[in-house]
Amino acid sequence: GAGVSQTPSNKVTEKGKYVELRCDPISGHTALYWYRQSLGQGPEFLIYFQGTGAADDSGLPNDRFFAVRPEGSVSTLKIQRTERGDSAVYLCASSPTGINTDTQYFGPGTRLTVL
Amino acid sequence: AQSVTQLDSHVSVSEGTPVLLRCNYSSSYSPSLFWYVQHPNKGLQLLLKYTSAATLVKGINGFEAEFKKSETSFHLTKPSAHMSDAAEYFCVVSVPGGSYIPTFGRGTSLIVHP
Repeated sequence: GAGVSQTPSNKVTEKGKYVELRCDPISGHTALYWYRQSLGQGPEFLIYFQGTGAADDSGLPNDRFFAVRPEGSVSTLKIQRTERGDSAVYLCASSPTGINTDTQYFGPGTRLTVL
Repeated sequence: AQSVTQLDSHVSVSEGTPVLLRCNYSSSYSPSLFWYVQHPNKGLQLLLKYTSAATLVKGINGFEAEFKKSETSFHLTKPSAHMSDAAEYFCVVSVPGGSYIPTFGRGTSLIVHP
Protein backbone atom coordinates (compact mmCIF):
# COMPACT_ATOMS: atom_id res chain seq x y z
CA GLY A 1 0.00 0.00 0.00
CA ALA A 2 0.94 3.64 -0.25
CA GLY A 3 3.28 5.00 2.36
CA VAL A 4 3.61 8.51 3.74
CA SER A 5 4.25 11.07 1.04
CA GLN A 6 5.56 14.62 1.34
CA THR A 7 5.57 17.43 -1.15
CA PRO A 8 7.60 19.14 -2.37
CA SER A 9 10.73 17.05 -1.98
CA ASN A 10 12.85 20.19 -2.17
CA LYS A 11 11.94 23.80 -1.55
CA VAL A 12 14.26 26.76 -2.01
CA THR A 13 12.97 30.12 -0.83
CA GLU A 14 14.26 33.53 0.09
CA LYS A 15 14.50 34.92 3.59
CA GLY A 16 11.21 36.47 4.64
CA LYS A 17 9.00 34.41 2.35
CA TYR A 18 6.13 32.13 3.34
CA VAL A 19 6.24 28.37 2.67
CA GLU A 20 3.85 25.46 2.98
CA LEU A 21 4.94 21.84 3.30
CA ARG A 22 2.43 19.05 2.74
CA CYS A 23 2.17 15.58 4.26
CA ASP A 24 -0.13 12.74 3.12
CA PRO A 25 -0.19 10.08 5.84
CA ILE A 26 -1.07 6.43 5.50
CA SER A 27 -4.82 6.07 5.11
CA GLY A 28 -6.56 5.36 8.41
CA HIS A 29 -3.70 6.53 10.63
CA THR A 30 -5.10 8.86 13.27
CA ALA A 31 -1.76 10.15 14.56
CA LEU A 32 0.49 12.47 12.55
CA TYR A 33 3.81 13.98 13.59
CA TRP A 34 6.05 16.69 12.17
CA TYR A 35 9.78 16.70 12.89
CA ARG A 36 12.71 18.84 11.82
CA GLN A 37 16.09 17.27 11.15
CA SER A 38 19.24 19.34 10.88
CA LEU A 39 22.45 17.95 9.46
CA GLY A 40 24.06 15.45 11.80
CA GLN A 41 21.18 15.49 14.26
CA GLY A 42 18.26 13.26 15.11
CA PRO A 43 14.72 14.31 14.24
CA GLU A 44 13.43 17.05 16.54
CA PHE A 45 9.74 16.95 17.41
CA LEU A 46 7.60 19.88 16.25
CA ILE A 47 3.91 18.99 16.54
CA TYR A 48 1.62 15.98 16.96
CA PHE A 49 -1.95 15.62 15.68
CA GLN A 50 -4.53 13.16 16.94
CA GLY A 51 -7.24 13.32 14.30
CA THR A 52 -7.91 16.93 13.39
CA GLY A 53 -6.60 18.48 16.58
CA ALA A 54 -3.07 19.38 17.58
CA ALA A 55 -2.58 17.24 20.69
CA ASP A 56 0.87 18.64 21.39
CA ASP A 57 2.56 21.61 19.69
CA SER A 58 5.24 22.13 22.30
CA GLY A 59 8.03 21.60 19.77
CA LEU A 60 7.13 24.48 17.48
CA PRO A 61 10.05 26.90 17.88
CA ASN A 62 8.04 30.14 17.65
CA ASP A 63 4.83 31.63 16.31
CA ARG A 64 6.14 31.72 12.74
CA PHE A 65 5.44 27.98 12.60
CA PHE A 66 1.90 26.66 12.32
CA ALA A 67 0.37 23.37 11.18
CA VAL A 68 -3.13 22.19 10.33
CA ARG A 69 -4.89 18.93 9.64
CA PRO A 70 -8.46 20.04 8.88
CA GLU A 71 -9.97 16.71 7.85
CA GLY A 72 -7.83 14.38 9.94
CA SER A 73 -5.80 13.21 6.98
CA VAL A 74 -3.50 15.55 5.01
CA SER A 75 -1.48 18.01 7.06
CA THR A 76 0.25 21.24 6.08
CA LEU A 77 3.14 22.81 7.95
CA LYS A 78 3.27 26.56 7.40
CA ILE A 79 6.27 28.77 8.02
CA GLN A 80 5.95 32.54 7.87
CA ARG A 81 8.76 35.04 7.39
CA THR A 82 11.31 32.29 6.83
CA GLU A 83 14.80 32.68 8.26
CA ARG A 84 18.06 31.04 7.21
CA GLY A 85 18.00 29.04 10.44
CA ASP A 86 14.81 27.33 9.27
CA SER A 87 16.82 25.44 6.65
CA ALA A 88 16.52 21.74 7.44
CA VAL A 89 14.77 18.55 6.36
CA TYR A 90 11.17 18.49 7.56
CA LEU A 91 9.89 14.99 8.22
CA CYS A 92 6.34 13.79 8.57
CA ALA A 93 5.33 10.50 10.18
CA SER A 94 2.03 8.80 10.83
CA SER A 95 1.03 5.97 13.14
CA PRO A 96 -2.17 3.98 13.57
CA THR A 97 -3.28 5.28 16.96
CA GLY A 98 -0.55 7.41 18.53
CA ILE A 99 0.04 5.22 21.58
CA ASN A 100 3.61 4.79 22.80
CA THR A 101 4.00 1.28 21.34
CA ASP A 102 3.06 2.36 17.81
CA THR A 103 5.51 2.14 14.94
CA GLN A 104 5.88 5.44 13.14
CA TYR A 105 5.95 5.44 9.35
CA PHE A 106 8.02 8.24 7.90
CA GLY A 107 7.83 10.12 4.67
CA PRO A 108 10.96 10.93 2.63
CA GLY A 109 11.04 14.49 3.92
CA THR A 110 11.06 17.97 2.43
CA ARG A 111 14.45 19.68 2.23
CA LEU A 112 13.91 23.38 2.89
CA THR A 113 16.65 25.83 1.97
CA VAL A 114 16.25 29.47 2.93
CA LEU A 115 18.65 31.75 1.06
CA ALA B 1 10.64 13.16 31.30
CA GLN B 2 12.49 10.85 28.94
CA SER B 3 15.78 10.99 27.12
CA VAL B 4 18.02 8.79 25.03
CA THR B 5 21.77 8.83 24.57
CA GLN B 6 23.55 7.19 21.69
CA LEU B 7 27.05 6.72 22.95
CA ASP B 8 28.87 6.78 19.61
CA SER B 9 28.40 9.27 16.81
CA HIS B 10 30.30 7.00 14.38
CA VAL B 11 31.04 3.27 14.37
CA SER B 12 33.37 1.77 11.80
CA VAL B 13 33.51 -1.99 11.11
CA SER B 14 34.79 -4.32 8.43
CA GLU B 15 32.37 -6.33 6.35
CA GLY B 16 31.68 -9.68 8.03
CA THR B 17 32.53 -8.49 11.56
CA PRO B 18 30.01 -7.90 14.39
CA VAL B 19 28.17 -4.62 14.84
CA LEU B 20 27.37 -2.98 18.20
CA LEU B 21 25.53 0.35 18.37
CA ARG B 22 24.98 1.55 21.92
CA CYS B 23 21.91 3.27 23.35
CA ASN B 24 21.05 4.28 26.92
CA TYR B 25 17.73 5.74 27.94
CA SER B 26 16.19 7.58 30.85
CA SER B 27 12.48 7.27 31.62
CA SER B 28 10.13 7.68 34.56
CA TYR B 29 7.80 5.02 33.17
CA SER B 30 8.14 1.66 31.46
CA PRO B 31 9.41 2.68 28.06
CA SER B 32 8.87 1.51 24.54
CA LEU B 33 12.16 1.51 22.67
CA PHE B 34 12.80 1.56 18.95
CA TRP B 35 15.67 1.48 16.50
CA TYR B 36 15.17 3.19 13.15
CA VAL B 37 17.55 3.20 10.20
CA GLN B 38 18.01 5.99 7.67
CA HIS B 39 19.82 5.20 4.45
CA PRO B 40 21.13 8.13 2.39
CA ASN B 41 18.28 9.96 0.66
CA LYS B 42 15.75 7.50 2.06
CA GLY B 43 13.07 7.82 4.74
CA LEU B 44 13.44 6.45 8.26
CA GLN B 45 12.50 2.79 8.55
CA LEU B 46 11.78 0.73 11.66
CA LEU B 47 14.39 -1.94 12.41
CA LEU B 48 12.86 -3.31 15.61
CA LYS B 49 10.99 -2.31 18.76
CA TYR B 50 10.61 -3.35 22.40
CA THR B 51 7.18 -2.90 23.98
CA SER B 52 7.39 -4.84 27.31
CA ALA B 53 7.22 -8.34 25.87
CA ALA B 54 10.39 -10.39 25.28
CA THR B 55 13.53 -8.48 26.26
CA LEU B 56 15.50 -9.81 23.28
CA VAL B 57 13.98 -8.35 20.16
CA LYS B 58 14.74 -9.50 16.63
CA GLY B 59 14.35 -7.13 13.73
CA ILE B 60 14.84 -6.96 10.02
CA ASN B 61 18.10 -7.68 8.18
CA GLY B 62 19.55 -9.78 11.01
CA PHE B 63 19.60 -7.04 13.64
CA GLU B 64 18.58 -7.61 17.23
CA ALA B 65 18.54 -5.64 20.47
CA GLU B 66 18.26 -6.52 24.14
CA PHE B 67 16.34 -4.45 26.68
CA LYS B 68 18.28 -4.36 29.97
CA LYS B 69 16.32 -2.50 32.60
CA SER B 70 19.07 -2.67 35.22
CA GLU B 71 21.49 -0.99 32.83
CA THR B 72 18.87 1.25 31.15
CA SER B 73 20.26 0.11 27.82
CA PHE B 74 18.94 -1.04 24.47
CA HIS B 75 22.02 -1.80 22.38
CA LEU B 76 21.66 -2.85 18.73
CA THR B 77 23.73 -5.77 17.43
CA LYS B 78 24.30 -7.80 14.30
CA PRO B 79 26.64 -10.80 14.06
CA SER B 80 28.05 -9.98 10.64
CA ALA B 81 28.02 -6.58 8.93
CA HIS B 82 27.14 -6.19 5.28
CA MET B 83 28.05 -3.28 3.05
CA SER B 84 24.35 -2.46 2.71
CA ASP B 85 24.15 -1.84 6.48
CA ALA B 86 26.01 1.44 6.09
CA ALA B 87 23.50 4.05 7.24
CA GLU B 88 22.46 6.31 10.12
CA TYR B 89 20.80 4.56 13.07
CA PHE B 90 18.51 6.23 15.60
CA CYS B 91 17.48 4.96 19.02
CA VAL B 92 14.06 6.22 20.14
CA VAL B 93 12.21 6.13 23.48
CA SER B 94 8.50 6.63 24.01
CA VAL B 95 6.53 6.35 27.28
CA PRO B 96 2.84 5.99 28.16
CA GLY B 97 0.90 8.95 29.42
CA GLY B 98 0.80 12.45 28.05
CA SER B 99 0.92 12.62 24.28
CA TYR B 100 3.42 9.79 23.68
CA ILE B 101 5.92 12.01 21.92
CA PRO B 102 8.90 9.88 20.90
CA THR B 103 12.35 11.20 21.73
CA PHE B 104 15.13 10.49 19.23
CA GLY B 105 18.82 10.09 19.92
CA ARG B 106 21.24 12.10 17.82
CA GLY B 107 22.12 9.09 15.70
CA THR B 108 25.06 6.76 15.06
CA SER B 109 26.61 6.62 11.63
CA LEU B 110 27.63 3.03 10.75
CA ILE B 111 30.50 2.80 8.31
CA VAL B 112 31.26 -0.59 6.76
CA HIS B 113 34.63 -1.19 5.12
CA PRO B 114 35.10 -3.90 2.48
